[in-house]
Amino acid sequence: DIVMTQSPTSMSISVGDRVTMNCKASQNVGSNVDWYQQKIGQSPKLLFYKASSRFTGVPDRFTGSGSGTDFTFTINNVQAEDLAVYYCLQSNSYPYTFGAGTKLELK
Amino acid sequence: EVQLVESGGGLVQPGRSMKLSCAASGLTFSNYYMAWVRQVPTKGLEWVAYISNGGDYTYYRDSVKGRFTVSRDNAKSTLYLQVDSLRSEDTATYYCARRIFKYGMDVMDAWGQGVSVTVSS
Repeated sequence: DIVMTQSPTSMSISVGDRVTMNCKASQNVGSNVDWYQQKIGQSPKLLFYKASSRFTGVPDRFTGSGSGTDFTFTINNVQAEDLAVYYCLQSNSYPYTFGAGTKLELK
Repeated sequence: EVQLVESGGGLVQPGRSMKLSCAASGLTFSNYYMAWVRQVPTKGLEWVAYISNGGDYTYYRDSVKGRFTVSRDNAKSTLYLQVDSLRSEDTATYYCARRIFKYGMDVMDAWGQGVSVTVSS
């Protein structure tokens, strides 16, 4: 199985910060990485697909990039509503695998 | 608005069976692939299985192959997951999700609220 390694595990942020998190695949997954947001008590919500394609309704302060084995997810001007755990998912080969998540917390 | 509502979870003894359901509304159910994803507190999210829109293709992760069966009833707009020979490591919240598998996309764009399964004696 492809292992998706996310870093950092958690981040303490202030509203208005710019945050960047990473996801590294154990083998080449092309651009087949999606990003999901999960708030406390909620189910995951799709934010990006194909590494950099923003899903419908996702604010443009969120951006995704990368290909091959290294992927980055950035939030500009973080808002309080962005506090959540963010997961990457590789959809290049079965079984699709998630990273362990990066948790955003308020300082 | 797409709504997916899971049911059928609970506490079950190891080795026993359970059938999870996912009732869908707000979409033409028969047009979509569907998936089951589980969330284990200590291990995060795991992609468990998927089924094609007509039900003729299925896929399972290795750890559930031969024990879990995904099926669907398009007339009832309902997805199922039959889980047999349950193990403690199957303890998780199980989510059903709509899988968009066309137009160059392969994503899970709508999720249910999840149903909890606890395997314990």
